[in-house]
Amino acid sequence: GQQVMQIPQYQHVQEGEDFTTYCNSSTTLSNIQWYKQRPGGHPVFLIQLVKSGEVKKQKRLTFQFGEAKKNSSLHITATQTTDVGTYFCASSSNTGKLIFGQGTTLQVKP
Amino acid sequence: EAGVVQSPRYKIIEKKQPVAFWCNPISGHNTLYWYRQNLGQGPELLIRYENEEAVDDSQLPKDRFSAERLKGVDSTLKIQPAELGDSAVYLCASSPTGTGLGQYFGPGTRLTVT
Repeated sequence: GQQVMQIPQYQHVQEGEDFTTYCNSSTTLSNIQWYKQRPGGHPVFLIQLVKSGEVKKQKRLTFQFGEAKKNSSLHITATQTTDVGTYFCASSSNTGKLIFGQGTTLQVKP
Repeated sequence: EAGVVQSPRYKIIEKKQPVAFWCNPISGHNTLYWYRQNLGQGPELLIRYENEEAVDDSQLPKDRFSAERLKGVDSTLKIQPAELGDSAVYLCASSPTGTGLGQYFGPGTRLTVT
């Protein structure tokens, strides 16, 4: 079945450094969604990408969908301590079921 | 606008006991989801409702889990009897049908089975 793999599993950065998490699939994805989950919290929807090669920005966050629609990335510029959490990518299967990656947990050292 | 409401927030039970979780989705959201999230992993779908109809329950362990959404609004997820491996966070989410605007999650119920 459809799977999305995320790397890295963990990332520790110094505040001010950049951070990137990658989401990969062996099959073509219809869309990709990104969620953030703070420690002890619940996933919060960030964005959805649908088009091949699509790039969207939210302040310091840049989201990309690969040309082949098999991979995606989330890049955070100049991390802050408020960026701490686990970032999940997720994609809808052809039945509408949302399949989540394993997540990348970001720690930011002040 | 109120978010997705879940109760209880925490539940500790002994194995073989029953437990039930309740969810009230965002008003107007026709689609409701129940997920289970184990520590260090992403949410895994248990069941998805479109209004009162369960359209995807392929991942629901039907021998012990059941769910209902009788009036197409709030929903209940039940486990009977609970096993040690059921310890996890149970998340409810809702979304407006067909808009592709993502899912809105509730705070979850953290279940500990001892």
